[in-house]
Amino acid sequence: AIQMTQSPSSLSASVGDRVTITCRASQGISNDLGWYQQKPGKAPKLLIYAASSLQSGVPSRFSGSGSGTDFTLTISSLQPEDFATYYCLQDYTYPYTFGQGTKLEVK
Amino acid sequence: QVQLVESGGGVVQPGRSLRLSCVVAGFTFSNHGMHWVRQAPGKGLEWVAFIWYDGSNKYYADSVKGRFTISRDNSKNTVYLQMDSLRAEDTAMYYCARDDIPYCSSISCYVGRWWGQGTLVTVSS
Repeated sequence: AIQMTQSPSSLSASVGDRVTITCRASQGISNDLGWYQQKPGKAPKLLIYAASSLQSGVPSRFSGSGSGTDFTLTISSLQPEDFATYYCLQDYTYPYTFGQGTKLEVK
Repeated sequence: QVQLVESGGGVVQPGRSLRLSCVVAGFTFSNHGMHWVRQAPGKGLEWVAFIWYDGSNKYYADSVKGRFTISRDNSKNTVYLQMDSLRAEDTAMYYCARDDIPYCSSISCYVGRWWGQGTLVTVSS
């Protein structure tokens, strides 16, 4: 199975900061990657699909980039509601695999 | 509006079976593939299984292959996860989720925007 490695595992930041989370695949996955946000006690929410396509209704401060093995999720200016855990998910081949998550906390 | 509602979770002894259900509304169920994703307490997300919109293809995580079976009944707008030979490590919140691409028959039927609220499975003696 393809391994997805996210970094960092946790991140402390302040409102207004620019934040970048990375995800690395153990083999090339083209652009078949999504980013999900999860808040405690809630189901995950799709933010980005196909590596860089913004899901409808998601604020434009979220953006994704990358192809092949290296991907990034960027939040351009952190808002209070953005403090959550973020996961990448490859859908290039089965079994799909998630990264281990990045917990974004208030500094 | 779109709704996905899971049920069937509970406490079960190791080695026993459980069947989860996910009833959907608000979209044409037979047009979309369905995923199951789980999350152990305090842990990250794990993709579990996927079934094509017409039920003709099914895929599983290595950790559940041979023990879990995904199926669907398009006449009942329901997807199922039959879980056999349960282990303590199967303890998790189980979510069903819809793919976003109608009639998706490629590999990249990504887990889309619509998820259920989850049903908790606890495997313990």
